[in-house]
Amino acid sequence: GNSVTQMEGPVTLSEEAFLTINCTYTATGYPSLFWYVQYPGEGLQLLLKATKADDKGSNKGFEATYRKETTSFHLEKGSVQVSDSAVYFCALYSGGYQKVTFGTGTKLQVIP
Amino acid sequence: GAGVSQSPSNKVTEKGKDVELRCDPISGHTALYWYRQSLGQGLEFLIYFQGNSAPDKSGLPSDRFSAERTGGSVSTLTIQRTQQEDSAVYLCASSLRGTGDETQYFGPGTRLLVL
Repeated sequence: GNSVTQMEGPVTLSEEAFLTINCTYTATGYPSLFWYVQYPGEGLQLLLKATKADDKGSNKGFEATYRKETTSFHLEKGSVQVSDSAVYFCALYSGGYQKVTFGTGTKLQVIP
Repeated sequence: GAGVSQSPSNKVTEKGKDVELRCDPISGHTALYWYRQSLGQGLEFLIYFQGNSAPDKSGLPSDRFSAERTGGSVSTLTIQRTQQEDSAVYLCASSLRGTGDETQYFGPGTRLLVL
């Protein structure tokens, strides 16, 4: 079956530090890949996505590149802000009647 | 347009009582999911509806949990004989299938507290 593995948190960074949150997956076919974000006290929302190999999703300064050869979709940001503190979820969808599969989430805390 | 709505936003109940949680998906969305999120934990998949297909119930933790989706729209998650370990935030999400976009849109959740 499909699965998503994320690096364990919490991740604590100082403001303006470089962020990487690792995400690897196992799936049949050619899945679409997603990053969702949940800010404190808020609902989950899509951050970015990529639907085919070598695509790069980007939003709010975050980027992730769909790497089929390494089955990865790592989330990166060059300079994090306190307002980026949230829980980040990696997810995949492999098509048809398959359900979306989420990773366990990674909590990011950015300190001033 | 309107997003996914859930009701009630908060529910406090006594152990052993039944509760019903409601989800109104975005109009036209064919896929609907229920998840549970305990404090500080990740998303726990519960059940998934897609169009007229049989729902995927593989995530329901016990037979006290059930869900239905009427008319391909509104969904109700029912928890019978609630236990304290059922306390969590219950999230609903919907998505539009068939367009190649499987982006999920989440509701604000129902916070359930079982005393």
